[in-house]
Amino acid sequence: DAKTTQPTSMDCAEGRAANLPCNHSTISGNEYVYWYRQIHSQGPQYIIHGLKNNETNEMASLIITEDRKSSTLILPHATLRDTAVYYCIVSGAGSYQLTFGKGTKLSVIP
Amino acid sequence: DAGITQSPRHKVTETGTPVTLRCHQTENHRYMYWYRQDPGHGLRLIHYSYGVKDTDKGEVSDGYSVSRSKTEDFLLTLESATSSQTSVYFCAISVGSSYNEQFFGPGTRLTVL
Repeated sequence: DAKTTQPTSMDCAEGRAANLPCNHSTISGNEYVYWYRQIHSQGPQYIIHGLKNNETNEMASLIITEDRKSSTLILPHATLRDTAVYYCIVSGAGSYQLTFGKGTKLSVIP
Repeated sequence: DAGITQSPRHKVTETGTPVTLRCHQTENHRYMYWYRQDPGHGLRLIHYSYGVKDTDKGEVSDGYSVSRSKTEDFLLTLESATSSQTSVYFCAISVGSSYNEQFFGPGTRLTVL
């Protein structure tokens, strides 16, 4: 599976959009980008995934660049409950393995 | 919504004792997973199952065995616990259109003294 690079930490003001970047320059054509988050001491929570088109659901939007070498997770109106570690994961459609890196610790500030 | 319970939620045991952790799902999801999470390592896959009696190894399977005799239950066994197996263990199930859309349980905190 391709490796990902994320900033170690980010801050975001409550009510503003949180934009979390992820680099995955070695991604291959059949690999998807997945985003999870983990709120302190809880199990990880699936957010969204995509292949090459932008995706949106009730939690977030995922923007994938045209060359697929990077992506951005957007939380449109961050709340204090969005404070968590966010993981960007690249994995093939037929792979059973999610490889979690260190992620980005997002702190939403009142 | 998918439901997962893990038991026990907390356990303290001594080196050399056998330990079994249980993961129970309330729906008939085919794929189930066991992960461990340690500071500095993130989550790592131990074993996974793709059906009753069908299991395979993950990244860190040494020292662990699993069994799945019913769709709803996936057991993780440490035959002889060691201090290096002190960790938080998460069970997960695949719930979406891809294997990697996974729903995680609340975790079991295991301490091996």
